[in-house]
Amino acid sequence: DTGVSQNPRHKITKRGQNVTFRCDPISEHNRLYWYRQTLGQGPEFLTYFQNEAQLEKSRLLSDRFSAERPKGSFSTLEIQRTEQGDSAMYLCASSSTVLQEPWETQYFGPGTRLLVL
Amino acid sequence: RKEVEQDPGPFNVPEGATVAFNCTYSNSASQSFFWYRQDCRKEPKLLMSVYSSGNEDGRFTAQLNRASQYISLLIRDSKLSDSATYLCVVNLPANDYKLSFGAGTTVTVRA
Repeated sequence: DTGVSQNPRHKITKRGQNVTFRCDPISEHNRLYWYRQTLGQGPEFLTYFQNEAQLEKSRLLSDRFSAERPKGSFSTLEIQRTEQGDSAMYLCASSSTVLQEPWETQYFGPGTRLLVL
Repeated sequence: RKEVEQDPGPFNVPEGATVAFNCTYSNSASQSFFWYRQDCRKEPKLLMSVYSSGNEDGRFTAQLNRASQYISLLIRDSKLSDSATYLCVVNLPANDYKLSFGAGTTVTVRA
């Protein structure tokens, strides 16, 4: 499977615990994005990387959230001291700025569904 | 005001019917427009990009009206498999990396 993969697919944790999610983008894609989606809403942009550089962080991304992409390949999203309001689907997407497409298309992974009790 | 607004539906239609719905966007500088499809508890998948002149992809037709800042999607000859949530997506040339999603329009096709 050459699509975007995310692990774990589901995570249940207790309030106050730390969690870490992983995203493996499509191999030739240089951009990687994190979005959050809650029930009944569309995905909301959190942050993105071009290669290993994190170029923007949404104001939705509080200090408890940190994302890395150390070698410009996979990325991790960590949430510290989780709160019940963090319960959501966390989606990763990737795209390429070098492929010859009319528009840069973002391809999404299956998401990690987080439930904070 | 939200950047992208959609009628949440649901649109309940019989097989074979035509269904159409719109979304509106707030920023007139928006440059790229897409429809994504999302099945229940799955990730969004690109359905089609929306060209300025409107475009078709099989049974799906997308239209863009820049003057009124809305995008439409029409589905002809609906199939059961078209049941999904359709997400309207725009982005700005200054922030081409950031997709702004609507909350989605739910379509249910019944036998």
